[in-house]
This record gives sequence, C-alpha cells and structure tokens, in this order.
Amino acid sequence: DTAVSQTPKYLVTQMGNDKSIKCEQNLGHDTMYWYKQDSKKFLKIMFSYNNKELIINETVPNRFSPKSPDKAHLNLHINSLELGDSAVYFCASSQDSAERAFFGQGTRLTVV
Amino acid sequence: GQSLEQPSEVTAVEGAIVQINCTYQTSGFYGLSWYQQHDGGAPTFLSYNALDGLEETGRFSSFLSRSDSYGYLLLQELQMKDSASYFCAVRDQNGGFKTIFGAGTRLFVKA
Repeated sequence: DTAVSQTPKYLVTQMGNDKSIKCEQNLGHDTMYWYKQDSKKFLKIMFSYNNKELIINETVPNRFSPKSPDKAHLNLHINSLELGDSAVYFCASSQDSAERAFFGQGTRLTVV
Repeated sequence: GQSLEQPSEVTAVEGAIVQINCTYQTSGFYGLSWYQQHDGGAPTFLSYNALDGLEETGRFSSFLSRSDSYGYLLLQELQMKDSASYFCAVRDQNGGFKTIFGAGTRLFVKA
C-alpha cells in the first residue's frame, strides 16, 4: 500500500488554465504539507495542514488554494496557471511533531 | 526566518567516505533531518537528530551540534547507488511544526 499518494504524476496544461492535484495519506498522520521543487531542486514549503486546519501558509500567490476535506486528504488547486508555476509538487505527511515526513511521488506540472 | 547552508556538489569514489555539512539558522529549532532524493524520485528520510551527538544507521551516520547550529551526514563505503541529492532539513516548531529544507547537495559517486 502506498503511504502517500498523489495524482496525477504528470500534468501538462496551458497558461491561464485551472488545475488540481490530489493527495491522500493512509498513515493516520495529523499533518500534511505541500512542497514545490523548482528546476534547481530547491524544496520550498507552501502549506501545512494539521487536522484539516491550515497552520502554515508561506508566501504563495493566492492563485494556489489548498483544501483538506478530511485529515487524510490535502488537495491543491491552482487558478490561472503561469509559466513560472512549472515545477514538481510534492505532498507529504507527518505525525505532528514527529521527525519524519513521508513524501508522495510528486506531480510534475508543466505550463506551456 | 530560517536558512540552511550546505555544499551544492560533492564528488567521491566508490568505497570512500564522504561528509556533507549543514549549518542552519532558525529560532524554533526542534531537530535536524537528512533526506535522500534520486533523480525523478521523492525525498526519502535517512536520519534525524534532536540532541547533540552521532546517530548511526548502517552506512549512514548523522551528527548534530546544537550550540554550533551545525550538523553533517556521513556516508561510508560509498556505492554507485548513493549518487543522489542529499537535503538537510530543519524541523521548526514556530507557528506549527514544519520541515524546512536546504538547497541540497548533489553527490556524484565515481567508479
């Protein structure tokens, strides 16, 4: 069983479109995250949710809106996609203060 | 804010030992983690230090000095499959627990 799964794995779309990435974890963790990894491999935290509540919102354009219907899911919706949004987006989860984060396989988003 | 510094690239030969250093600055330090990421893959957890000292897990060891805001990852008996990016990451507790990653060190292992 995959611990953290996200879909789709690849997403190619045109500028101006709206798209969503889904993430689910079956580890029973309280906290879920979205990270963006750019072409230089820099992993930047975007959002963190704890028990469905947003607790961290780094400096991210408001075109990005996370939604957590329950603590096992954290989806990412992106409006009006721009070229600069092209990156790999990773979902991750951890048990609150636990040291280890588990990552999904990543979604490679390409905006053309 | 938080910042982490680690070398961008390291090259070593098979069978050798390599050390990847990491210095950090954060006001809410809780612990230091290390992650490995192969090209096209997801970051995977290697080790964690919350207290000063050395933690050993097989060929990999990690060290932390909280007073120096410094840590390192030691990889022994290098294998070709160890070629990957290695990230140090600070577990920060300000405003809710989060893991902040360094820019990563690309390790090249040569035969």
